[in-house]
Amino acid sequence: LAKTTQPISMDSYEGQEVNITCSHNNIATNDYITWYQQFPSQGPRFIIQGYKTKVTNEVASLFIPADRKSSTLSLPRVSLSDTAVYYCLVGFTGRRALTFGSGTRLQVQP
Amino acid sequence: EAGVVQSPRYKIIEKKQPVAFWCNPISGHNTLYWYRQNLGQGPELLIRYENEEAVDDSQLPKDRFSAERLKGVDSTLKIQPAELGDSAVYLCASSPGGAISYNEQFFGPGTRLTVL
Repeated sequence: LAKTTQPISMDSYEGQEVNITCSHNNIATNDYITWYQQFPSQGPRFIIQGYKTKVTNEVASLFIPADRKSSTLSLPRVSLSDTAVYYCLVGFTGRRALTFGSGTRLQVQP
Repeated sequence: EAGVVQSPRYKIIEKKQPVAFWCNPISGHNTLYWYRQNLGQGPELLIRYENEEAVDDSQLPKDRFSAERLKGVDSTLKIQPAELGDSAVYLCASSPGGAISYNEQFFGPGTRLTVL
């Protein structure tokens, strides 16, 4: 399974755009990149998933360069409610499981 | 649509006692996962079911942990006997099945276990 590296923590202010980058140098051809969000006392929640280039949904955008060795989760105009831990996962489960790292703890301040 | 249901939400037991966690996945989801999450860390997979078959239990400490998924719907995770190091949040998740959809898992709120 591809190992991922992401910052331990980030700070931001309300209304700013936040970009969280994840490195996954040994990503395999079939691997997808998936991001989850977790609030305290809750289970993780799926945010977005992509294979290459750019994916956008109502919550976030995911940018994946051509070599796919990294990816960036972009959260536009964050609010206090975006304070959470964000996990980057890489894999194509098939009959294997995805692996969660320690995630990035985002703190949004007023 | 109802989400993944877990019970109990909290459990406090003394070491060496048994404990069981119950999970009801989203209706129609064939794949069910049990994770353990220690404080400050990401979830760690314990076991994954495809319908009633355990297809990945390599991380399950089989000397004290057991799980079952009867009829491919509800699942129970048991620890017997519990140790102090088992204190954690136990998360259940489900997904519809199919290769790409494996990546989108729907998590329950978890059961917070405290072993004294």
